[in-house]
Amino acid sequence: DTAVSQTPKYLVTQMGNDKSIKCEQNLGHDTMYWYKQDSKKFLKIMFSYNNKELIINETVPNRFSPKSPDKAHLNLHINSLELGDSAVYFCASSFRQGNTEAFFGQGTRLTVV
Amino acid sequence: AQSVSQHNHHVILSEAASLELGCNYSYGGTVNLFWYVQYPGQHLQLLLKYFSGDPLVKGIKGFEAEFIKSKFSFNLRKPSVQWSDTAEYFCAVNAPTTRYIPTFGRGTSLIVHP
Repeated sequence: DTAVSQTPKYLVTQMGNDKSIKCEQNLGHDTMYWYKQDSKKFLKIMFSYNNKELIINETVPNRFSPKSPDKAHLNLHINSLELGDSAVYFCASSFRQGNTEAFFGQGTRLTVV
Repeated sequence: AQSVSQHNHHVILSEAASLELGCNYSYGGTVNLFWYVQYPGQHLQLLLKYFSGDPLVKGIKGFEAEFIKSKFSFNLRKPSVQWSDTAEYFCAVNAPTTRYIPTFGRGTSLIVHP
């Protein structure tokens, strides 16, 4: 079984559209994250959820919103997509905040045209 | 500013060559240190981690890393690389000042020629 799964794997959409990326983890972890990986492979934290509570929100446009229906899911909604949103988005989870490693999903390659 | 620095952005080696990738961080307090690997088209996977104890840690696939507290460094090493080690390598830090959210360096692209 895949520990952290994201859907879809690829997403091509037009500017101005609204889209969602789903993420689920079956590891029983308390903390989940969304990262954005740009074309130069730099990984930037977008959101972190701990026990369904948003604990940090970096300087991300408010067009991006995380939604967590339960501890095992952290979905990413993006409104009014822009060309600069094209990137690979990774979901990850960890047992807790602190001295634990993160487990990553396969990534969603978003292309805005 | 607090950061994670990886000095080598692109490394090209021949098989059997030795590898050392540098990582420095600028966070204070008790930090947890990681190296992740991303094979082409795949997600990040953990290579090794350091929380406490022996500063020389061994990971999967023959990789090891040494934590030198005085130098704020956590360099990754492998004595003899293989073609299959071609990948992107990321150093990451969990630090109290970032609420232990993994913060990544910019990555090092390693290409190993057969």
